[in-house]
Amino acid sequence: DGGITQSPKYLFRKEGQNVTLSCEQNLNHDAMYWYRQDPGQGLRLIYYSQIVNDFQKGDIAEGYSVSREKKESFPLTVTSAQKNPTAFYLCASSEGGRGSPLHFGNGTRLTVT
Amino acid sequence: AQSVTQLGSHVSVSEGALVLLRCNYSSSVPPYLFWYVQYPNQGLQLLLKYTSAATLVKGINGFEAEFKKSETSFHLTKPSAHMSDAAEYFCAVRGNFGNEKLTFGTGTRLTIIP
Repeated sequence: DGGITQSPKYLFRKEGQNVTLSCEQNLNHDAMYWYRQDPGQGLRLIYYSQIVNDFQKGDIAEGYSVSREKKESFPLTVTSAQKNPTAFYLCASSEGGRGSPLHFGNGTRLTVT
Repeated sequence: AQSVTQLGSHVSVSEGALVLLRCNYSSSVPPYLFWYVQYPNQGLQLLLKYTSAATLVKGINGFEAEFKKSETSFHLTKPSAHMSDAAEYFCAVRGNFGNEKLTFGTGTRLTIIP
């Protein structure tokens, strides 16, 4: 079955540590996205990539980094510079056209203490 | 840049009653509009999308939405609520200019009363 796999489902880290969230898709989609979800705030775009080896900052990129070395993979690193990293992180992909819907993974819930 | 407003962060309806979730957008030209559903601790699933082919759009699980340009609205409806409809619903909009990104509303949590 085609889809998006995010791992792990739950992640716990100590403050000051970097952590990398995995996102893999087998939909052959060109575009991939990372969103952060907090209660009552909807989804906020962190980074997106429309093609391999290229990515752009979204609305809340500070404290995060990404890479897009392969079409199917778009890992997100939450660095120690992110002031409030505890959140639900969602990865998505799309064919890239303006009317193309996003397909989402099941998310990673990150807790930093 | 476009924006989207969802009126009502929480909506409760009785099982079997009409479901109406409101979404208004701001855009100078008809945009692309989407409704997504999210169950607890899961990702978002596409319910339906408007891409100018027809103003009344039918989606999955018996939901539909009507695009009304004069009201800049794209409200989501379902004639008869089912317990399994309890979830959070997000409206999203993408404009027609340049490299505009998909913008999500803040969501409406739907509760079904037995």
